[in-house]
Amino acid sequence: EAGVVQSPRYKIIEKKQPVAFWCNPISGHNTLYWYRQNLGQGPELLIRYENEEAVDDSQLPKDRFSAERLKGVDSTLKIQPAELGDSAVYLCASSRYSYNEQFFGPGTRLTVL
Amino acid sequence: SQQGEEDPQALSIQEGENATMNCSYKTSINNLQWYRQNSGRGLVHLILIRSNEREKHSGRLRVTLDTSKKSSSLLITASRAADTASYFCATDQATGNMRFGAGTRLTVKP
Repeated sequence: EAGVVQSPRYKIIEKKQPVAFWCNPISGHNTLYWYRQNLGQGPELLIRYENEEAVDDSQLPKDRFSAERLKGVDSTLKIQPAELGDSAVYLCASSRYSYNEQFFGPGTRLTVL
Repeated sequence: SQQGEEDPQALSIQEGENATMNCSYKTSINNLQWYRQNSGRGLVHLILIRSNEREKHSGRLRVTLDTSKKSSSLLITASRAADTASYFCATDQATGNMRFGAGTRLTVKP
């Protein structure tokens, strides 16, 4: 079984530029999560999808962040415009259902200059 | 905001010793999960314990859950150098939110 796929693995941009991250979850997994992880800290949930529906986006900075999960499969997280403080690792995870074991992708390391 | 708080923040032991990490949380939960993250790598699920369970075992791992104290502990027995990693607890809150703690950084010296 293929794992969670994320791209790109690394991204360096200048502040005020837009950036997008892509995630393909494990086949058959209904729930998809986007997390942000700063150095030395635990993952912070940005948004959780059950199929196409965003069911927990309370910590998503909606002024600059947006996400979508078309057809309930892969997902895109966008930041526009990026700020210096957005530098972090962005992790995608999926699980068969909510409240189950999550499988994480390798993450995208974002550096904003 | 992060829900779980791990304690200690860092732990250094010798190979063969046991390692105990604790997690406290604030609100009612459906379940609590422990994850491991090796330096620069993704997170790997270790164990899930439901709110109606008190103890679970998986290999050298033992997890306990005390919902009255809103706390959990992870015990790794007979530790190995390969256990060196950061360990996170994650709570599935009764409100439907999922939150991770800041983690315990475990170093096992050979």
